[in-house]
Amino acid sequence: EDQVTQSPEALRLQEGESSSLNCSYTVSGLRGLFWYRQDPGKGPEFLFTLYSAGEEKEKERLKATLTKKESFLHITAPKPEDSATYLCAVQAGGFNKFYFGSGTKLNVKP
Amino acid sequence: GAVVSQHPSRVICKSGTSVKIECRSLDFQATTMFWYRQFPKQSLMLMATSNEGSKATYEQGVEKDKFLINHASLTLSTLTVTSAHPEDSSFYICSARIPEIYEQYFGPGTRLTVT
Repeated sequence: EDQVTQSPEALRLQEGESSSLNCSYTVSGLRGLFWYRQDPGKGPEFLFTLYSAGEEKEKERLKATLTKKESFLHITAPKPEDSATYLCAVQAGGFNKFYFGSGTKLNVKP
Repeated sequence: GAVVSQHPSRVICKSGTSVKIECRSLDFQATTMFWYRQFPKQSLMLMATSNEGSKATYEQGVEKDKFLINHASLTLSTLTVTSAHPEDSSFYICSARIPEIYEQYFGPGTRLTVT
């Protein structure tokens, strides 16, 4: 069964305390893995797309990496404004077949 | 680039009435749009996939006659919640996919409250 699992469910960090969020997947025919940020009461905001194992992408304090079984979203020296829910999604098989994880809620305290 | 808008952002309606939500891709043409529902503190639940000019594909358990989806143009898809009931109250989010690439871009969402 195709599945996307994110961990941890929630993460509390002090400002400046670096950490990683995990997204593991079991799908056939991976086409792409996506990371989104969602603030309360808003739609998800696109962050990254990763297509193949070994690929890495960076944006400000965020860095996403991909292996054959999982992806990590590394947050370096986070700030309170990085607090949000981070969603991982995988596209596999058909062009319109997406699987979303349940998200990691990140809280960065000043 | 890749901006998706939704209207309205919030709507309150009485039980038994119908509500229409619009989703527009503002700076690109979207052959495929998606409609999601999100309950508090939960992830996105795909309701249906709509392709321009054809019937929407609904996910298992989603009532086609209750959630009417129309994708009449390359920049507009609408979701109509018919005969709304309090249990239909939720956060509805649309997304659009740029043709020939994989990413989805999401709208800001519509908060529906049925009283």
